[in-house]
Amino acid sequence: QKEVEQNSGPLSVPEGAIASLNCTYSDRVSQSFFWYRQYSGKSPELIMSIYSNGDKEDGRFTAQLNKASQYVSLLIRDSQPSDSATYLCAVNEDSSYKLIFGSGTRLLVRP
Amino acid sequence: SAVISQKPSRDICQRGTSLTIQCQVDSQVTMMFWYRQQPGQSLTLIATANQGSEATYESGFVIDKFPISRPNLTFSTLTVSNMSPEDSSIYLCSVGEDRGVTDTQYFGPGTRLTVL
Repeated sequence: QKEVEQNSGPLSVPEGAIASLNCTYSDRVSQSFFWYRQYSGKSPELIMSIYSNGDKEDGRFTAQLNKASQYVSLLIRDSQPSDSATYLCAVNEDSSYKLIFGSGTRLLVRP
Repeated sequence: SAVISQKPSRDICQRGTSLTIQCQVDSQVTMMFWYRQQPGQSLTLIATANQGSEATYESGFVIDKFPISRPNLTFSTLTVSNMSPEDSSIYLCSVGEDRGVTDTQYFGPGTRLTVL
């Protein structure tokens, strides 16, 4: 059973801090990794994708991938209350288009 | 990315009835998917909607319960048949867009279904 694991949280950080969200996956051959943000009552919104080991930065967001350790993380710098949401990690299954989702981490940014 | 719409946005249905959910995309896409998100849970893939052929269902989902149509590259429907309260969920369609390395999936706004 291929799995994607996330801490359900909530992860509570003060405004302006760095929020660090982590995800581990079981399938070594996974090639593509995605972070989605889901506000309550809304559908998931893609915020980052990463395919190669290392860091990928986009504005306040940095995705980090370590295939040897089978983990992917998302850093949110200068966290804002508007970042409060559930963050879903998703992994491509093998070379197919299927996504396997983690259970999500709820982030709460305190003003 | 493609603009995706779903109808209805929400519905309340009686057990034993069926509901058809529509997903419309503003451009032609190769890959379309249907997901279910039960209350407080993450997303579970129901099936891949294939244009011109039968959908490919994931383990635990069957065509009789969740028939899917994909008549062209911009439209798909998911029917939830013979509903029970356990079918109360958010149903989401997604489309895959080729970003060079792999298909990236984007989600529609979802259909919130409550079965009484």
